Amino acid sequence: AQSVTQLGSHVSVSEGALVLLRCNYSSSVPPYLFWYVQYPNQGLQLLLKYTSAATLVKGINGFEAEFKKSETSFHLTKPSAHMSDAAEYFCAVSVGSNTGNQFYFGTGTSLTVIP
Amino acid sequence: GAVVSQHPSWVICKSGTSVKIECRSLDFQATTMFWYRQFPKQSLMLMATSNEGSKATYEQGVEKDKFLINHASLTLSTLTVTSAHPEDSSFYICSARYSGREEQFFGPGTRLTVL
Repeated sequence: AQSVTQLGSHVSVSEGALVLLRCNYSSSVPPYLFWYVQYPNQGLQLLLKYTSAATLVKGINGFEAEFKKSETSFHLTKPSAHMSDAAEYFCAVSVGSNTGNQFYFGTGTSLTVIP
Repeated sequence: GAVVSQHPSWVICKSGTSVKIECRSLDFQATTMFWYRQFPKQSLMLMATSNEGSKATYEQGVEKDKFLINHASLTLSTLTVTSAHPEDSSFYICSARYSGREEQFFGPGTRLTVL
């Protein structure tokens, strides 16, 4: 069975500080992992994805995440927070790339950036 | 590329009426489309998965007679909320994927308010 745990439903950082959003997954087979961002009243936008290639994945807007199999983690980081990064972030895991590729979402982390 | 649209973006209806929400993949053919429901400050809850030309697969606890899903073509899926009640008020988000890509592409969501 697949599942995702996001530690910390709310994270606050100062503008310019490091952003670290945590995601741990559970999967019985090698997973695909994703980070999405959601702004108020909008859909989800893909930040980055891990699909069994390089373990350090770079995404849009300066975000990156590292897949650590031993820790079953896929934490999202950004060296310097910007005000525009304030949003809801979701980690998701899926298994397989054929039809029936179902996503399992974490509960989300709300990021606040303090000026 | 890989743009998904939803229409309408918001809708207000009276209790007992039916509401149809459209989800379109604008620049790709979606082999699979997904419908999610999101309550305020919560994660996405998968309602159903649909493949073009097939009956939708509903998640446990989702009433198929209440939430009618039609996936008539590779670019269009519709969700009809029948006999809507105030408890059906929510943010409905669709997503789509195509063969060879692991991620889902999300629509901007539809805010349904039932009075």
